[in-house]
Amino acid sequence: DAGITQSPRHKVTETGTPVTLRCHQTENHRYMYWYRQDPGHGLRLIHYSYGVKDTDKGEVSDGYSVSRSKTEDFLLTLESATSSQTSVYFCAISEANEQYFGPGTRLTVT
Amino acid sequence: AQSVTQPDIHITVSEGASLELRCNYSYGATPYLFWYVQSPGQGLQLLLKYFSGDTLVQGIKGFEAEFKRSQSSFNLRKPSVHWSDAAEYFCAVGRLGNEKLTFGTGTRLTIIP
Repeated sequence: DAGITQSPRHKVTETGTPVTLRCHQTENHRYMYWYRQDPGHGLRLIHYSYGVKDTDKGEVSDGYSVSRSKTEDFLLTLESATSSQTSVYFCAISEANEQYFGPGTRLTVT
Repeated sequence: AQSVTQPDIHITVSEGASLELRCNYSYGATPYLFWYVQSPGQGLQLLLKYFSGDTLVQGIKGFEAEFKRSQSSFNLRKPSVHWSDAAEYFCAVGRLGNEKLTFGTGTRLTIIP
């Protein structure tokens, strides 16, 4: 257990509304990640962070932003949610090149 | 760029039978390779990893995987599956000095009695 929690675990929102997902870790890991999981696509990296205020884009970053103002929290924001962002979102941390995942957030955009 | 292919979308195996899930990767140097398992509604759990050394690696839950550089493969095996092994399995590749992983699209394993 890498001490990763995600909130909320489930959310339904309407198209055009902003949404923020939170990832919290308790073990001071430097690297944190946001992925989305969709059928037929596996996990795709949205954004990642390599330290406080240090973030970079992944392969599917359009429509998403992130922030990391303290080591333990990594926030993913959908500025204006679209139906194509309906997905399961996973946060992960990295320790010695191994990634450990949170329980996921199921987001539905109607 | 690194990539991972899991050619089997869905595999059905009888309980007690052996299992092999395929994973092929594309990467120029020595890769770091991983297998993860995801039970329904759960997050991903690391089964095993290969960084270097012995090409046959043992993992949790009785799984093993073999790194074959000549075939660019890292197939997952289990000699006798249990009903609790029903899940989705993901192969992933990374590399030294880069903390990002690239995941395959997954193989769903169904176990029949």
